[in-house]
Amino acid sequence: QVTLKESGPGILQPSQTLSLTCTFSGFSLSTYGMGVGWIRQPSGKGLEWLANIWWDDDKYYNPSLKNRLTISKDTSNNQAFLKITNVDTADTATYYCARIDWGIPFAYWGQGTLVTVSS
Amino acid sequence: DIQMTQSPSFLSASVGDRVTINCKASQNINRYLNWYQQKLGEAPKLLIYNANSLQTGIPSRFSGSGSGTDFTLTISSLQPEDVATYFCLQHNSWPYTFGAGTKLELK
Repeated sequence: QVTLKESGPGILQPSQTLSLTCTFSGFSLSTYGMGVGWIRQPSGKGLEWLANIWWDDDKYYNPSLKNRLTISKDTSNNQAFLKITNVDTADTATYYCARIDWGIPFAYWGQGTLVTVSS
Repeated sequence: DIQMTQSPSFLSASVGDRVTINCKASQNINRYLNWYQQKLGEAPKLLIYNANSLQTGIPSRFSGSGSGTDFTLTISSLQPEDVATYFCLQHNSWPYTFGAGTKLELK
């Protein structure tokens, strides 16, 4: 059974760095073709893709976030991570991680974690 | 970036109706188009991948079609549990981009 669960700080202040963790089970990020992506959704709005990381440590980022993103993984502990630097109120959203199945993005999703940026 | 124009934004239909939702890409995305269902307060769920492949466990009343720039999600006979917002995603080119969503409600 594939499960993913996101965790984060809940609330942070503008200009801080947001650190998110995706803890998963039912698959390994060392398996050929597997990947994890991060997607966010402001309340009542649409979805925005942020970044992907693959089994071979290949990474892709959404350029709209202007080099603020860093994605990484810990294969041994079945975790993926996303950092967003210099956050602003516009970064307030629910953040999801999702599995990529060899060319099929986001076949399985976590429940999401709400992050609020507020002073 | 590839823009995904989804229509309609809002749809009201009756149980048993045939429902269609469209996504138009601003350029050719071949068949690299997924459809997701998101119920209120839940994470999105993959329904259709690569334009017309039904994800495991998804009822057969859901189907997808299209290629190139024009894609359609069809629900052949609307059920009450299909009330949700539906999103398309193109994964042909970086950055991946989603449609704005179609909110489906029961009439």
